[in-house]
Amino acid sequence: GQQLNQSPQSMFIQEGEDVSMNCTSSSIFNTWLWYKQEPGEGPVLLIALYKAGELTSNGRLTAQFGITRKDSFLNISASIPSDVGIYFCAGHANTGKLIFGQGTTLQVKP
Amino acid sequence: DAGVIQSPRHEVTEMGQEVTLRCKPISGHDYLFWYRQTMMRGLELLIYFNNNVPIDDSGMPEDRFSAKMPNASFSTLKIQPSEPRDSAVYFCASSLVGGRGEENEQFFGPGTRLTVL
Repeated sequence: GQQLNQSPQSMFIQEGEDVSMNCTSSSIFNTWLWYKQEPGEGPVLLIALYKAGELTSNGRLTAQFGITRKDSFLNISASIPSDVGIYFCAGHANTGKLIFGQGTTLQVKP
Repeated sequence: DAGVIQSPRHEVTEMGQEVTLRCKPISGHDYLFWYRQTMMRGLELLIYFNNNVPIDDSGMPEDRFSAKMPNASFSTLKIQPSEPRDSAVYFCASSLVGGRGEENEQFFGPGTRLTVL
């Protein structure tokens, strides 16, 4: 079945640093989504991407839908302590289902 | 809007007992999804509904799991009988049919943390 490979699995960075994470797949997706999950809460949608090559920003977050439609990345600039959480990519391929990556755990040291 | 509402937030039960989890999707959303999250397996889709009709239940682990959506504003996920390996966080999510792919934007509830002893 379809699978997403998300990397890195975890990151421990200093406040103020930029962060980059990505997802790759062997299958083509029509939509890429990025979510953030904090302890004890459900995933919260950060950015949605619908077109190959699309680059979208949401504050300090920037995400891109890869040209091949098989990958996406998320960048966080100038990280702050409240960026801590687990970030998930998710892809949709018109099967009715979202396929989720394994998540990237981000820790920020003040 | 209050977002997706789930109850209870926490449930502790003993093996063999029936467990019912509840979900109220965002008003006007046409799709409703039930997920299970564990450390080992991550987020797994169990079942989803479109306009109250189950579309794909291939993720339901076994016959002990059942889900219903009697109307557009309410869904239940039932486990009977429950087993310790069912311990996980169960999420409900909903989405809105759109013309641009917005139906793929799923909004999650806060989850129900289930512990089966």
